[in-house]
Amino acid sequence: AQKVTQAQTEISVVEKEDVTLDCVYETRDTTYYLFWYKQPPSGELVFLIRRNSFDEQNEISGRYSWNFQKSTSSFNFTITASQVVDSAVYFCALSEARTSYDKVIFGPGTSLSVIP
Amino acid sequence: DTGVSQNPRHKITKRGQNVTFRCDPISEHNRLYWYRQTLGQGPEFLTYFQNEAQLEKSRLLSDRFSAERPKGSFSTLEIQRTEQGDSAMYLCASSVTGLAGADTQYFGPGTRLTVL
Repeated sequence: AQKVTQAQTEISVVEKEDVTLDCVYETRDTTYYLFWYKQPPSGELVFLIRRNSFDEQNEISGRYSWNFQKSTSSFNFTITASQVVDSAVYFCALSEARTSYDKVIFGPGTSLSVIP
Repeated sequence: DTGVSQNPRHKITKRGQNVTFRCDPISEHNRLYWYRQTLGQGPEFLTYFQNEAQLEKSRLLSDRFSAERPKGSFSTLEIQRTEQGDSAMYLCASSVTGLAGADTQYFGPGTRLTVL
């Protein structure tokens, strides 16, 4: 069963619009980690954020922000004032204590296109 | 600090041939991971090493696949008797084991394999 769901396959926005990428995860562990990675057209996965299950504080980094809600098992990612350089595939991922965190389970990704 | 490097970046081979990919992790990273990514999907875990020990192998890793990390530094992934279904991007990642919790994995640019 897929443990990380990214329901939005593709999103297109016009430059400077805000966009939220959804991520819903499923785990039986009480201790786990969540990640977001960006994969630009060049192909290399770029680490964006890591968050553990005990830290529900939202995080902001420049134009990026993340909203972690354990009650809904969601870890959504918002880009404010999007730019063309934000065009990429974004992956949400989960790492569980029961696997000693060794396996990272990736969602299917959301392809974001920012149109100038 | 240089990132994870992978060679070659692209490989085209004929069905039935053997191929070998190389991954050089970030220096002093003791963990090294291999993933496979097919078009439109997120990366799927294949195997990982802690130093030179291979600690986990996915069921995706058939008998035709073998990975090594002989000196705990670079790693090789070999696919024997390639099949068209092996066509994918093969990603390598590395991390350094922290005090607790999940490591952050840093990815290389990948090797794109095309089996004709």
